[in-house]
Amino acid sequence: AQSVSQHNHHVILSEAASLELGCNYSYGGTVNLFWYVQYPGQHLQLLLKYFSGDPLVKGIKGFEAEFIKSKFSFNLRKPSVQWSDTAEYFCAVNSPGAGSYQLTFGKGTKLSVIP
Amino acid sequence: ETGVTQSPTHLIKTRGQQVTLRCSSQSGHNTVSWYQQALGQGPQFIFQYYREEENGRGNFPPRFSGLQFPNYSSELNVNALELDDSALYLCASSQPGAMNTEAFFGQGTRLTVV
Repeated sequence: AQSVSQHNHHVILSEAASLELGCNYSYGGTVNLFWYVQYPGQHLQLLLKYFSGDPLVKGIKGFEAEFIKSKFSFNLRKPSVQWSDTAEYFCAVNSPGAGSYQLTFGKGTKLSVIP
Repeated sequence: ETGVTQSPTHLIKTRGQQVTLRCSSQSGHNTVSWYQQALGQGPQFIFQYYREEENGRGNFPPRFSGLQFPNYSSELNVNALELDDSALYLCASSQPGAMNTEAFFGQGTRLTVV
């Protein structure tokens, strides 16, 4: 069974600080990787996704993530955070060959950005 | 907005009761998945429906059941509610039969069991 670990439960940063949120997954086969964001009171939104190709993926709102296969990692980064980035961030994985479209999520990292 | 709509937005039920939650998928999507998000946790996969049939199930007991209709809308039914069923229930739709795709989530139904 797949599992996803997000290392930080709650991260507090000042505006303009750099962000890196860790994500590791356990599945050894072919995977698709995602980062979703959940702003307070809103639905889960896709930040970025990796299916294949360039392991450095750029998403919306200045976020990027790097897939490192040897480390089973897919860390999320942003060079300079804004107050509006305050939200909960979820890393997720699915296996394209699993026969059903099932996402396995990490427990999430709450990001608080202080103005 | 994702085009995935869920109803109701909030619901309070008593332990032992039954509940039905509804989801309309995004236009053109015939795959619908349901997730349970307990407080402080990430969403957990309950099951998926593809062309009106269950196509994958997570680690949830049989009292969690579902339906998908010809218009691809879906229902999640939970019988014999327990206090631990209190959670945000999310519906997600994705493109027809595609594995390399993304899921679009609705805003969820907040279920409280008392």
